Amino acid sequence: DIVMTQSPDSLAVSLGERATINCKSSQSVLHSSNNRNYLAWYQQKPGQPPKLLIYWASTRESGVPDRFSGSGSGTDFTLTISSLQAEDVAVYYCQQYYSTPITFGQGTRLEIK
Amino acid sequence: QVQLVESGGGLVKPGGSLRLSCAASGFTFSDYYMSWIRQAPGKGLEWVSYISSSSSYTNYADSVKGRFTISRDNAKNSLYLQMNSLRAEDTAVYYCARGLLREYYFDYWGQGTLVTVSS
Repeated sequence: DIVMTQSPDSLAVSLGERATINCKSSQSVLHSSNNRNYLAWYQQKPGQPPKLLIYWASTRESGVPDRFSGSGSGTDFTLTISSLQAEDVAVYYCQQYYSTPITFGQGTRLEIK
Repeated sequence: QVQLVESGGGLVKPGGSLRLSCAASGFTFSDYYMSWIRQAPGKGLEWVSYISSSSSYTNYADSVKGRFTISRDNAKNSLYLQMNSLRAEDTAVYYCARGLLREYYFDYWGQGTLVTVSS
């Protein structure tokens, strides 16, 4: 199984500042056949289901604000929120879909400082 | 618009059974793989199972293999999860989610249904 490890577990950032969440996979999720990273990011607010933010490591889902961006390749990935807004308070998860079982990181809780 | 609505959750005793349903609308259900993903109270996300668009292929997490069975009825736009031999550690919110392929990201999720296994 591919183990996904996020860091940090929790993060407090001031409004308008940058937030950075890291995700490391125990093996590469870069598929050689299409040069795509099988990595997605989700945002989950209390009492709500997860919401897809980013897929293929860096493709923003339709309707997601452009302050959210994803980067990285192979085993190391980053979700960046360029200018934190109050509505971004949530838990963020990375997910690999390179192989079954599909696995998620443990989550990173993002709060306002 | 795409909608996924789960039902069937509730309180069940250890060793008991429960059948979850997920009603889909707003898209061509038979074109998509569907998954069940669960979240224990205060914990992270755990993929449980997926089923191919034609039901020809299924797979399960080791934690539920042999106890849970995923199925679908494309004529009714519905997804199911039969859960047998339930354990306390199966207590979670169960979400159905849509993915285009077997290993894929999940672009739509239902609101979830809570399953509590307790005596």
